[in-house]
Amino acid sequence: GAGVSQSPSNKVTEKGKDVELRCDPISGHTALYWYRQSLGQGLEFLIYFQGNSAPDKSGLPSDRFSAERTGGSVSTLTIQRTQQEDSAVYLCASSLAAGETNEQFFGPGTRLTVL
Amino acid sequence: AQSVTQPDIHITVSEGASLELRCNYSYGATPYLFWYVQSPGQGLQLLLKYFSGDTLVQGIKGFEAEFKRSQSSFNLRKPSVHWSDAAEYFCAVGARGGFKTIFGAGTRLFVKA
Repeated sequence: GAGVSQSPSNKVTEKGKDVELRCDPISGHTALYWYRQSLGQGLEFLIYFQGNSAPDKSGLPSDRFSAERTGGSVSTLTIQRTQQEDSAVYLCASSLAAGETNEQFFGPGTRLTVL
Repeated sequence: AQSVTQPDIHITVSEGASLELRCNYSYGATPYLFWYVQSPGQGLQLLLKYFSGDTLVQGIKGFEAEFKRSQSSFNLRKPSVHWSDAAEYFCAVGARGGFKTIFGAGTRLFVKA
């Protein structure tokens, strides 16, 4: 597609449920990033992928968070046993390749609300 | 460790007035520097970037930024603000040869008529 797409755009879930957030990067972009933006906060780095591997998972807040990327394209961020503090906008970005220009193109985000 | 500080949480300027948004970074070498804008309900859009060369960088929408190594700053400027510039602005630092981009907490710009 022309840009980074994310789905769903909005997700409301109950505390304790699992959720999956999807990111479709720009075609040909090998690097993919996940960020979390809480209300009134900046962007918190979660994880990035180069191809299908995730060299840096240091930003994942807890072991309830995991992410995978298949075929060097689509990525899924999974949050298990959601908590209210997980409520935030989850942003995905992609770039041509990690470590080159680092210019990232962002998707519109998924707004997650945990009740 | 890399860090980015945007000292102003929010700024209000009058339409037509000049604008300067501050950004200070901490990094051991010359980093990649970026400014992004996030309009309400939108994703982040790159305004401009600095990699090397001329320290005054021109971006889209009439914005410019100046890299000052001695001050570890990369302030964003616009000579005349338009109401459509009301948004949140993020300064970011990327490590050369690295993969992680660190974002500041953002500055929300309000434009009054």
